Amino acid sequence: AQSVSQHNHHVILSEAASLELGCNYSYGGTVNLFWYVQYPGQHLQLLLKYFSGDPLVKGIKGFEAEFIKSKFSFNLRKPSVQWSDTAEYFCAVNAAEYGNKLVFGAGTILRVKS
Amino acid sequence: EAGVTQSPTHLIKTRGQQVTLRCSPISGHTSVYWYQQALGLGLQFLLWYDEGEERNRGNFPPRFSGRQFPNYSSELNVNALELEDSALYLCASSLAGFGTTTSPLHFGNGTRLTVT
Repeated sequence: AQSVSQHNHHVILSEAASLELGCNYSYGGTVNLFWYVQYPGQHLQLLLKYFSGDPLVKGIKGFEAEFIKSKFSFNLRKPSVQWSDTAEYFCAVNAAEYGNKLVFGAGTILRVKS
Repeated sequence: EAGVTQSPTHLIKTRGQQVTLRCSPISGHTSVYWYQQALGLGLQFLLWYDEGEERNRGNFPPRFSGRQFPNYSSELNVNALELEDSALYLCASSLAGFGTTTSPLHFGNGTRLTVT
């Protein structure tokens, strides 16, 4: 079955702490990978994406994610979080073998304490 | 550039009723997607329309249906509403279908549907 797993539903960090949000998927073939973010009161927006090439991709606001094919993972990282990073983060995977649907994980709510 | 717009923003319906949600994509976008975001369940894919045709649908019953108009706007219809249909319904658009590599989804703010 097609699935995208995000390991933590709620994460609470203090400002300046490092962040890593896990994402694993179950597709065996070629995939396109995304992280979307939803800030309080705003619509979902793209944070970063991976299609091919360098498995370490950099997105907006200092976020990066690393694609590790052997682990079927695409974890999101940020060295030092800010209060303004408080949001819900969604990992999403698009695979041709599953009809090209963009399948989302359940989301991780990040709260950064100031 | 105007973003994806959805209407209405909020809706309260009674079980058994029917509802129509509307979405206008970003100008130039031909693909429209519908997702259901229920509490704690993330985004569940409902439907994908491109160039007026349904390209794919998620694991939802047939009472969830929709269409895309020649101007690329779209409607989502839900018949025989059930309590568990209460959710935020998100519409997104992109330049082309999921299968392309350079066309991320742009989301609207959603329609909050409450079924009582």
